[in-house]
Parts: sequence; structure tokens; C-alpha cells
Amino acid sequence: GNSVTQMEGPVTLSEEAFLTINCTYTATGYPSLFWYVQYPGEGLQLLLKATKADDKGSNKGFEATYRKETTSFHLEKGSVQVSDSAVYFCALRVSGTYKYIFGTGTRLKVLA
Amino acid sequence: DVKVTQSSRYLVKRTGEKVFLECVQDMDHENMFWYRQDPGLGLRLIYFSYDVKMKEKGDIPEGYSVSREKKERFSLILESASTNQTSMYLCASTGPPGGITNTGELFFGEGSRLTVL
Repeated sequence: GNSVTQMEGPVTLSEEAFLTINCTYTATGYPSLFWYVQYPGEGLQLLLKATKADDKGSNKGFEATYRKETTSFHLEKGSVQVSDSAVYFCALRVSGTYKYIFGTGTRLKVLA
Repeated sequence: DVKVTQSSRYLVKRTGEKVFLECVQDMDHENMFWYRQDPGLGLRLIYFSYDVKMKEKGDIPEGYSVSREKKERFSLILESASTNQTSMYLCASTGPPGGITNTGELFFGEGSRLTVL
């Protein structure tokens, strides 16, 4: 079946540290891949996406590359800020459908 | 910008009450969704609607119903609220594949946090 697995949190980092949040997936066909961010008390916002193998999504200093060979879509940022503290969700859309599968979310806390 | 608006950010209801959660989107999207978000469980799909008056059950439809009388509005109904329905409810929408309004992602509202006592 289709699934998304992301690393358990919470992840606690100092400001300016390097961030990696791992995400792997299982899916039939060629899914689209997404990272969403949820700030406290708010809904989910799209952070970045990739729709085919080797695509790199990027936004606000965050990047993720669609790796079909390893079925991964890891989120990275070179230098985190306190304002990046949030919950990050990896997700996929099953090819040819409106079915979206979400990971369980990873809470990031950045300390000044 | 796409805007998905959920009518209530916070609600407190009593067991057995009927609860309506309203969601409106302004991007003329055909597809609308209701998810439930619980810690450690991620987002779980309750219902999906792909057109006016059309709906499909998601992964956890029990205890919920939906209504889509107009394209822009999708309502989630708890006929008789129970304490295990205390949760964050998220509405989302997206357009058709290949359409100018759709780049593949879901657009979310800010969520409705429901507490059932």
C-alpha cells in the first residue's frame, strides 16, 4: 500500500544549525511529494513540492530532492532560525488520484 | 492567493450535541477534504468531495457526515458528538489535475479545534 514514514521528533537544534528531517515513502506509480509546515495554532502550509524523480523543491532556504531510487524526500536547511520552530509533515499524492498520504509530523524546536 | 476559511477556530460542545463545521474556499476548486489531526497519528481523511453533492468516505468516516450543496462550501457534521471526537479538524481543497488552478498541492484552512465534554 501507500505510506509515508518520517523521523520521530521532537528535533531540538540551536540557531544556525543544519537541519535534516528524513522522509521515505512507499507508493505505486509516480507520486507527487510535498513538505508542509504547521505553525502553532494554524493549519498546514505548503513548504515545497516535487512532482517527478530528481526534482528539487525549495523555499525559504529549505530544500528536498525527490529520490526515486531510495524512495526518499528528505527535508534540509543549512541554517535554521528560531522562527522555523514548527511541525513539519511529509506527504505524497498517489499518482492519478486525489488520495494524499501524510506522515505523522516532526516537531522542530530551534533555540536561540 | 487561495483562501480556505473555516468558520470556527475553537468550539466546545457537550456529548450528544450536533456539531457543524463549515469550510469555504474561494479558488473555484472542485475537490474538498475534511481531515482530522491527532498527535502521533498525522492527518486522517474523514470525507472527500469531488463535486457538488458528490462525496466519498475517507479512512475514518464513522460518526461523521458531510454536505456539499455549493461548490465553494463543504460542511462536516457530527450528528451526536462524543468525547473521542475531540480533535483538530482541517479542511482542504485542490483543483483538477492539469487545470490552471491546480499545482498538485492541498490548500488548508487554519483548522477548527473541537472539544467535546
